Amino acid sequence: GAVVSQHPSRVICKSGTSVKIECRSLDFQATTMFWYRQFPKQSLMLMATSNEGSKATYEQGVEKDKFLINHASLTLSTLTVTSAHPEDSSFYICSARDRADEQFFGPGTRLTVL
Amino acid sequence: DAKTTQPPSMDCAEGRAANLPCNHSTISGNEYVYWYRQIHSQGPQYIIHGLKNNETNEMASLIITEDRKSSTLILPHATLRDTAVYYCIVRVGGGNAGNMLTFGGGTRLMVKP
Repeated sequence: GAVVSQHPSRVICKSGTSVKIECRSLDFQATTMFWYRQFPKQSLMLMATSNEGSKATYEQGVEKDKFLINHASLTLSTLTVTSAHPEDSSFYICSARDRADEQFFGPGTRLTVL
Repeated sequence: DAKTTQPPSMDCAEGRAANLPCNHSTISGNEYVYWYRQIHSQGPQYIIHGLKNNETNEMASLIITEDRKSSTLILPHATLRDTAVYYCIVRVGGGNAGNMLTFGGGTRLMVKP
């Protein structure tokens, strides 16, 4: 099946700093990528939908100025958590949709903000 | 997308079949049933999906009732590595439907030796 990678797999940062997470579709082109967040023992919650070459669509309650999404190419989307705080600590997962409308998930990035 | 209802947890003995139920009584005619699973601290993994016919692949079988209001995912010979949270999701599929996957609570399957 199609492969989606994320980098880094885990990151620890100080409060107030910004962190960038990359999501890449390795063997297919993805016009749409999705970003999810998952807190411990909870399900995945969709944060935003990222379309190549256009602005991301954010779910209700997700601050677009805090979670910056860039989808500059058909194989790369980035999520930047700006001015991170401890409450932003979470497991961030991306998925990419191929031309057959199937979604493939990345392995996730665990963010810990001290 | 229609909502789904799954039991929060299930146990299964290693080597036995695991049957995971899902209710989706408000499913629409153009909505597919998808199953994903998530092993601890990993991203979700696609298992199988179907519209109305039963489906089988190398991982599992999907049995959808004739009225499409419920389905069952069958892992024929569960192993310890199948311990995971299993998510049943319904969504419009195919083409440029543009629908994201909405995750519910899922079923936490524990395969025991």
